[in-house]
Amino acid sequence: GAVVSQHPSRVICKSGTSVKIECRSLDFQATTMFWYRQFPKKSLMLMATSNEGSKATYEQGVEKDKFLINHASLTLSTLTVTSAHPEDSSFYICSASLQGRGGQPQHFGDGTRLSIL
Amino acid sequence: GQNIDQPTEMTATEGAIVQINCTYQTSGFNGLFWYQQHAGEAPTFLSYNVLDGLEEKGRFSSFLSRSKGYSYLLLKELQMKDSASYLCAVMDSNYQLIWGAGTKLIIKP
Repeated sequence: GAVVSQHPSRVICKSGTSVKIECRSLDFQATTMFWYRQFPKKSLMLMATSNEGSKATYEQGVEKDKFLINHASLTLSTLTVTSAHPEDSSFYICSASLQGRGGQPQHFGDGTRLSIL
Repeated sequence: GQNIDQPTEMTATEGAIVQINCTYQTSGFNGLFWYQQHAGEAPTFLSYNVLDGLEEKGRFSSFLSRSKGYSYLLLKELQMKDSASYLCAVMDSNYQLIWGAGTKLIIKP
C-alpha cells in the first residue's frame, strides 16, 4: 500500500519552457503533499507543502510565481516550473502522507530529473 | 534553531553490523523517521519511532531516546544492496519534517 506515482521521470527541455510534474497517490487519499528539490549529493530541500483545496505553503526563498503548485484533489498535486532556466535543473521529488499530523510517514514518488538546456 | 546531526559517511563490510547515529534538537517532537535513498532514486520509508526503545524490522532496527535527543539505525547482516544514503528526519511540534543531511553508507566486500 501507500504508492505514490510521479510523472514524468525525466524531462529535458529548452530554456524558457514551462514544465508540469504530476504527483498522484494511487491507493490512498493524501491530505497533504510535499514537494522537494535535491541537488547531487545534497539532502532533500522542502520547497512547499500543499493541502487539498487550499493554497500551498512555500518555504522561505522559494518563489511561488516560479513554482506553481496545485492540489485540486486528494490524489493529485502538480508542480509547474514556469519559464525554466538552467539553474532550475534538479531532481524534484513529491511525497504524500495520509494525514498532515500524527506520525504518518511520507511516501515518495520516484522523482523527476529536470534538465534545462 | 532546529538541527539534525548524522555522520556524513560510513564504511562497513558485507555481512557485518553497522550503527548510524542521529542526534536532534527540534521545537517539539512528534516522532523520528528513517529513510533509505539509493543514488538517483527517491527515499523509501524504513522506520518510525515515537516512544523510547527499540523497533525491530527484519535486518533493520531503530532506537530512540527522547530525553537524549538521540536515535540510531542498526543494520545487521549487511548486503551490498544496503549501500545507500540513510536519512534521519524528525517531525516537530508543527508536524513538519526536519531532515538530516543523510549518511552515505558504503559496503565493501
